[in-house]
Amino acid sequence: EIVLTQSPGTLSLSPGERAALSCRASQSVSSNYFAWYQQKPGQAPRLLIYGASTRATGIPDRFSGSGSGTDFTLTISRLEPEDFAVYYCQQYDISPRTFGQGTKVE
Amino acid sequence: EVQLVQSGAEVKKPGESLKISCQGSGNSFSTYWIGWVRQMPGRGLEWIGIIYPRDSDTRYNPAFQGQVTISADKSTNSVYLQWSSLKASDTAIYYCARHGLGGGEYWYFDLWGRGTPVTVSS
Repeated sequence: EIVLTQSPGTLSLSPGERAALSCRASQSVSSNYFAWYQQKPGQAPRLLIYGASTRATGIPDRFSGSGSGTDFTLTISRLEPEDFAVYYCQQYDISPRTFGQGTKVE
Repeated sequence: EVQLVQSGAEVKKPGESLKISCQGSGNSFSTYWIGWVRQMPGRGLEWIGIIYPRDSDTRYNPAFQGQVTISADKSTNSVYLQWSSLKASDTAIYYCARHGLGGGEYWYFDLWGRGTPVTVSS
């Protein structure tokens, strides 16, 4: 099983600041089968990024994904008030598909 | 608008059985892989498994194999998650989610249901 470790656990920032969230995999994720999701309290997760760097439909361009192999990053260029949430990474290359433990942006 | 509509919250006792559902809209529902994800209270997301409703081909996370059963009824665009004997540790929110367009069994989830809270307590 691929273990995904997200860091930091909590990111304390202000609106307008830049956020960089990291996700490290215990083994290489091939074909960039890697996604990022956002979850707000009381809501279902929402897909932000797939294929490591492709924004999902309707996702603002302040969200960007990068990385390959074992190191992936989600960057939010300028935080908006609605961006404060928990973010999860996921690999869908190897079974079982696994999620990281989450990074809370507060 | 395509949606995944999940069944309502459940409160059960240990040892009881349960089957929760996820119904999708649209004619092509049976051609998408549909999965289940668990979120225990205050915790992260765990991938339980997926099913292809057209032929009920199913894949499980080994951690959940034998603990739950995923099934589908393509005639009603529905997917199910069931337990034969619940435990307190099954208390969680269970989300169904759909693989993105064009994806095979190894793919991301692009559409999520709102979740079904399940509480197991004596």
